[in-house]
Amino acid sequence: DAGITQSPRYKITETGRQVTLMCHQTWSHSYMFWYRQDLGHGLRLIYYSAAADITDKGEVPDGYVVSRSKTENFPLTLESATRSQTSVYFCASSESTGGPQPQHFGDGTRLSIL
Amino acid sequence: LAKTTQPISMDSYEGQEVNITCSHNNIATNDYITWYQQFPSQGPRFIIQGYKTKVTNEVASLFIPADRKSSTLSLPRVSLSDTAVYYCLVGGPLKAAGNKLTFGGGTRVLVKP
Repeated sequence: DAGITQSPRYKITETGRQVTLMCHQTWSHSYMFWYRQDLGHGLRLIYYSAAADITDKGEVPDGYVVSRSKTENFPLTLESATRSQTSVYFCASSESTGGPQPQHFGDGTRLSIL
Repeated sequence: LAKTTQPISMDSYEGQEVNITCSHNNIATNDYITWYQQFPSQGPRFIIQGYKTKVTNEVASLFIPADRKSSTLSLPRVSLSDTAVYYCLVGGPLKAAGNKLTFGGGTRVLVKP
């Protein structure tokens, strides 16, 4: 099915571990985004990518690493997880034209760090 | 960054019109205003987007005054299925240096029978 999918949907890990969240889209959208959603903070942008091999920081990038070797994939890695990174993570994609385009979101990954 | 502020929650009844206002005093010249709807355990879903004046589609209207420091999402004749959290997003083209995306904290709308 076409769309944007995130995996896993749920993940529990321990502090200090490395964990990678996957995001895959089938629209060939240029832009992809990673957000975290926490109570009291709404959605905050972690990283985004304008195209393969082009990434940039958002509002809260510390502790996260991204890569985009292929247009359709945009994995997010927590190199050494901390409890403060417990959150729901959303991936999104959008087309690239002159103005900002509507973003299409996945259903999220709920990450708990013990 | 444009800071966006929304009411935390609103209650309404079926068939009524719901208006949610987002404040964005520091909006930049090339920023657009976009609204999303989110149900539990799902990602946000696009509702409507505008730059100035009024925009209308099949599900909502967006009113933006001339100074663009606020915007109002209007949901006509809501039903129980419109119970959700609504987010305002302010941002411009990401290709421009310094343009970032700022979501409001979300407004929880409860529609009662």
